[in-house]
Amino acid sequence: IQLTQSPSSLSASVGDRVTITCRASQGISSYLVWYQQKAGKAPNLLIYAASTLQSGVPSRFSGSGSGTDFTLTISSLQPEDFATYYCQQLNSFPLTFGGGTKVEIK
Amino acid sequence: EVQLLESGGGLVQPGGSLRLSCTAPGFTLSSYALSWVRQAPGKGLEWVSTVGTVDGDTHYGDSVKGRFTISRDNSKNTLYLQMNSLRAEDAAVYYCAKGRGGSYPESRTFDYWGQGTLVTVSS
Repeated sequence: IQLTQSPSSLSASVGDRVTITCRASQGISSYLVWYQQKAGKAPNLLIYAASTLQSGVPSRFSGSGSGTDFTLTISSLQPEDFATYYCQQLNSFPLTFGGGTKVEIK
Repeated sequence: EVQLLESGGGLVQPGGSLRLSCTAPGFTLSSYALSWVRQAPGKGLEWVSTVGTVDGDTHYGDSVKGRFTISRDNSKNTLYLQMNSLRAEDAAVYYCAKGRGGSYPESRTFDYWGQGTLVTVSS
């Protein structure tokens, strides 16, 4: 199952609302998760089951979607949110990740 | 807080072998699926392999199938990845990752990751 993220990068300002999309090549129900990765660090789980916030993750992060189209939204971008974001499907093996979306400071 | 610690990375010649290990001091891993995910320099994440909590429950990505073997030793609370016939394209930071649970779908959601161990394949 291929996951296509868009955009591959974006520039935004602190306080902006940011939306990242992930499209699956076939239906995966709600078996999608989102990770945040900062430079030189391991990924960090943000959202699982497409829309459930992982414990400890700020509520400005939200996820939605099912089937083939999914969205990660950051309601008000904070300085610590500048990072690369990845979606991952867990519907079937091989597990696959999207290509990533790098969120940069405008 | 779960801490995963990988070891075993390093420089190896093409065609060589390496074994990675991952442990979690103070936390029992036996009830959780465990995986390896890699990231080549400047590239995205690539799932490598997963081992479940039941004997024989292993899965591999196509690029490593037949060359890599994942295993776990619950008595040592350790995850392994035996990597044989290494190629230049296997060079990456290898992360071990813990599933949220032992069964699907939690087993395939990675809630804790190690800091990564670097594998370099070069002559």
